[in-house]
Amino acid sequence: AQKITQTQPGMFVQEKEAVTLDCTYDTSDPSYGLFWYKQPSSGEMIFLIYQGSYDQQNATEGRYSLNFQKARKSANLVISASQLGDSAMYFCATDSGAGSYQLTFGKGTKLSVIP
Amino acid sequence: NAGVTQTPKFQVLKTGQSMTLQCAQDMNHNSMYWYRQDPGMGLRLIYYSASEGTTDKGEVPNGYNVSRLNKREFSLRLESAAPSQTSVYFCASSEGSRGPYGYTFGSGTRLTVV
Repeated sequence: AQKITQTQPGMFVQEKEAVTLDCTYDTSDPSYGLFWYKQPSSGEMIFLIYQGSYDQQNATEGRYSLNFQKARKSANLVISASQLGDSAMYFCATDSGAGSYQLTFGKGTKLSVIP
Repeated sequence: NAGVTQTPKFQVLKTGQSMTLQCAQDMNHNSMYWYRQDPGMGLRLIYYSASEGTTDKGEVPNGYNVSRLNKREFSLRLESAAPSQTSVYFCASSEGSRGPYGYTFGSGTRLTVV
C-alpha cells in the first residue's frame, strides 16, 4: 500500500519569498507518479504539478517546482515568489500501480502567505 | 467545458436516511473515483471504477455503495446515513493510465448527517 506523509500541518511565508512544502512517500511499486494539488478556501482541488518516478529532471510548472529525491523518497513542492493567492491547503499524492492508478493523499499542509 | 459535475452541492440528512450523490464527467475518461475529505485527514478513497462495468473498494468503503451507470456517470449511495458520514465528498475522473494528465475533481458535496 502507498503512504504519503506531510509533516507540516501549517506554514507561513512572507509575500514574494520562496517556500518549500515537504512530502515523503512510501510505495513498493517500481513505477509511480507524484502529484501536488492546491485546495483554496473555496474547496476545489487544483492540479499543480506531476513527477514520474523515472523522470530524469525535476518537474517545473511556472512558479512551482518539485524537488524530487528518489533515494530519500521525497517530493517536496517549492513555490517561488509567493503571492497572497497561494494561501491554501496543499496536498501531495501518489498513484498506485493496481491498474486504475487511484490517488493516495497526504493530510495536507496549510500555507498562509503574509503581506 | 463542464469537466466533472457533482450534485447536489450541499445536503443535510437525518440519521438513517438514504441518498445518492451523482457524478458525471464529459471528458471520456475511463476511471472514476469517490473520495471523502474530513478535517485533518486529507482525501480518502471510498470506491473507484477503473472502467465501465467495474467497481472496487477503496480505503473507507463501509456504509457506501456505488454504481458505474455508464462511462460518464458514477454514483455514490448512502443506504442508512450516520453522523460519521458527515464529510465533503469529491468525485474525480482520470484517463486511467499513468502520466502527467492529472485527475479532474468535481467541486464537492458537503454532506451533514444530524
